Amino acid sequence: AQKITQTQPGMFVQEKEAVTLDCTYDTSDQSYGLFWYKQPSSGEMIFLIYQGSYDEQNATEGRYSLNFQKARKSANLVISASQLGDSAMYFCAMREARGERGSTLGRLYFGRGTQLTVWP
Amino acid sequence: GAVVSQHPSWVICKSGTSVKIECRSLDFQATTMFWYRQFPKQSLMLMATSNEGSKATYEQGVEKDKFLINHASLTLSTLTVTSAHPEDSSFYICSATIAVPYNEQFFGPGTRLTVL
Repeated sequence: AQKITQTQPGMFVQEKEAVTLDCTYDTSDQSYGLFWYKQPSSGEMIFLIYQGSYDEQNATEGRYSLNFQKARKSANLVISASQLGDSAMYFCAMREARGERGSTLGRLYFGRGTQLTVWP
Repeated sequence: GAVVSQHPSWVICKSGTSVKIECRSLDFQATTMFWYRQFPKQSLMLMATSNEGSKATYEQGVEKDKFLINHASLTLSTLTVTSAHPEDSSFYICSATIAVPYNEQFFGPGTRLTVL
C-alpha cells in the first residue's frame, strides 16, 4: 500500500489566490512526521513545512500552512497568496518513528507529487 | 542553515564508464545520508542509506554492485555508478540528516547523469 498519496497530478491557481494541495498518508506508527517539499525545475528539494504527529496545532511557515487532520490521516498543504515563483512540483513525505519490520529507519516516504502552476 | 552540496551538478559519460558523485554536508556532521534517484516527472526513489563507517543499506531492487556507496566521514558520502548504461541516466539526489530539531533531511542540489 502507498504510504503517501497525492491525488492531484496537477493544480492551477491564479496569482494571489490560495491553493490546497492534498496529501493522505498510511501508517500504523503513533509517532511520525509529515513534510512538504517544493521542487522547482532546477531540481533542488526545498523544505517547506513540518508537522509532528503529536503536534496539536497545525504547522505554519509564512504563506504555508499544513491542515493536519489526524483522524483522516491527511496533511494538506495550503499556500496563501500564491506567487508566480510558487510554480513547481510539490511533494508530501512522511517519516515513521519505528517503521515496519525491515524498513530503513529514518527514511522518508514520498508521494508522487503535484505540479502546481500559478498563472498571472 | 544546513547546507548539502553535490558534485558534479551534471555529468555526461559514455556507456561502460564509471561515474562518481559526491555528497557533502558543509556546515554540520550528518548522522546518516540517503541517496535517491528521480526519473523525469516522477517521485524520488530511495536507493540506499549510508552511515559513516559502515556498509550502506540498499533498498530492494537496487543493485549493490552497480551503485557503490562509500561513506568515508561524517560529512562525505559518494555514489559510484559502475559501468553506466543509458538506462542509468537519471537525476540523483542525496540528503543528509541532522538530529535536531526533528531529524530533518537536508537535500543536495542533485546530479543529472546522462549516459550516451
